[in-house]
Amino acid sequence: NAGVTQTPKFRILKIGQSMTLQCTQDMNHNYMYWYRQDPGMGLKLIYYSVGAGITDKGEVPNGYNVSRSTTEDFPLRLELAAPSQTSVYFCASSSGTVPYEQYFGPGTRLTVT
Amino acid sequence: KNEVEQSPQNLTAQEGEFITINCSYSVGISALHWLQQHPGGGIVSLFMLSSGKKKHGRLIATINIQEKHSSLHITASHPRDSAVYICAVRSTDKLIFGTGTRLQVFP
Repeated sequence: NAGVTQTPKFRILKIGQSMTLQCTQDMNHNYMYWYRQDPGMGLKLIYYSVGAGITDKGEVPNGYNVSRSTTEDFPLRLELAAPSQTSVYFCASSSGTVPYEQYFGPGTRLTVT
Repeated sequence: KNEVEQSPQNLTAQEGEFITINCSYSVGISALHWLQQHPGGGIVSLFMLSSGKKKHGRLIATINIQEKHSSLHITASHPRDSAVYICAVRSTDKLIFGTGTRLQVFP
């Protein structure tokens, strides 16, 4: 099993550009999450999904959109990128049952200039 | 005030030392997780606790639900333990993360 994979690993965007961060898991997990990690801060939840077709906002959803058309994939869309979106983005998945362990992808480092 | 507080923020140790990292939280939780973030950025889950104590090799995690406090101990620390250790609490169906403790172990 590859676990949780994310692409790309690194990306530089200009202000106002858009992009999609890809996340795929092969563990048949129902729950998937997108987090951002800023220097000196804890991970913040952007969006999450409890199953295909179901998504919900987390703590910091503004400027982002998600979709979940399959169990495996949970892409994160950035529209009109802003410097405040410079961060490291992590995707994670979980079965949603005990022990509720979350499996993290390797992260995407995004810089908006 | 953050809902999850970790201390210390930074920690340096000599190889072989006993390490303690603390986590306090202010919300009701169903479980607490300890995670390790490697220097390359990858995050792995170390423990999930809802009560008592768990041990994996040289790592020990404890939780006191009444005091809303957890500790992560590393015995006989080694340079390969150098990483950021993150405490996260499960509240409803989401995790709330602490800011992490950066540990450096020198030979």
